[in-house]
Amino acid sequence: KAGVTQTPRYLIKTRGQQVTLSCSPISGHRSVSWYQQTPGQGLQFLFEYFSETQRNKGNFPGRFSGRQFSNSRSEMNVSTLELGDSALYLCASSPSFAGETKGTQYFGPGTRLLVL
Amino acid sequence: GEDVEQSLFLSVREGDSSVINCTYTDSSSTYLYWYKQEPGAGLQLLTYIFSNMDMKQDQRLTVLLNKKDKHLSLRIADTQTGDSAIYFCAEEVLGNSGYSTLTFGKGTMLLVSP
Repeated sequence: KAGVTQTPRYLIKTRGQQVTLSCSPISGHRSVSWYQQTPGQGLQFLFEYFSETQRNKGNFPGRFSGRQFSNSRSEMNVSTLELGDSALYLCASSPSFAGETKGTQYFGPGTRLLVL
Repeated sequence: GEDVEQSLFLSVREGDSSVINCTYTDSSSTYLYWYKQEPGAGLQLLTYIFSNMDMKQDQRLTVLLNKKDKHLSLRIADTQTGDSAIYFCAEEVLGNSGYSTLTFGKGTMLLVSP
């Protein structure tokens, strides 16, 4: 089975621009979660999507948004980029069966975003 | 609120044991996890422990959980240079939405020297 793939792997943007990152989950996985990783804050949960609906959300401003398509692929968007948005953005997918734990998540390699 | 703390750096010699420590604050956590992140890669789940257990052993890995002190540790026996990576501990907590989330520590960089 192919793993979680994220595109692009690297991205450079300037302040004020917007960016869209993509995540393709493992085949058959229906839940996709997004995380932001920075040296100062570590790994922080952004949001989780399941069946095209956001079912959980972290404490990030509204500039961060996401969506999930019917094939479970997910995108996240950051509008009006700030320097502090420079980070590694990780996506993780899981099958999402009843009673599952977060330990069933598989992480992608991440997209490294640099905002200048 | 939830908070997970780890020491930032650990250096050991090849063949020694490594012990990475973690403290957490949310007593309602269900599972606690250890992840490994190698350069340029995502997170790989190493092992986990259910909150009502106090120890779990998995080959070279031993996880100890002291629920009273909210302290978790990961011991790697016979540490190898290939174990050099960043190690994250994480707690899983059921949120108000009815779905659980993971709260991560900032990670411990383990450097293994030959």
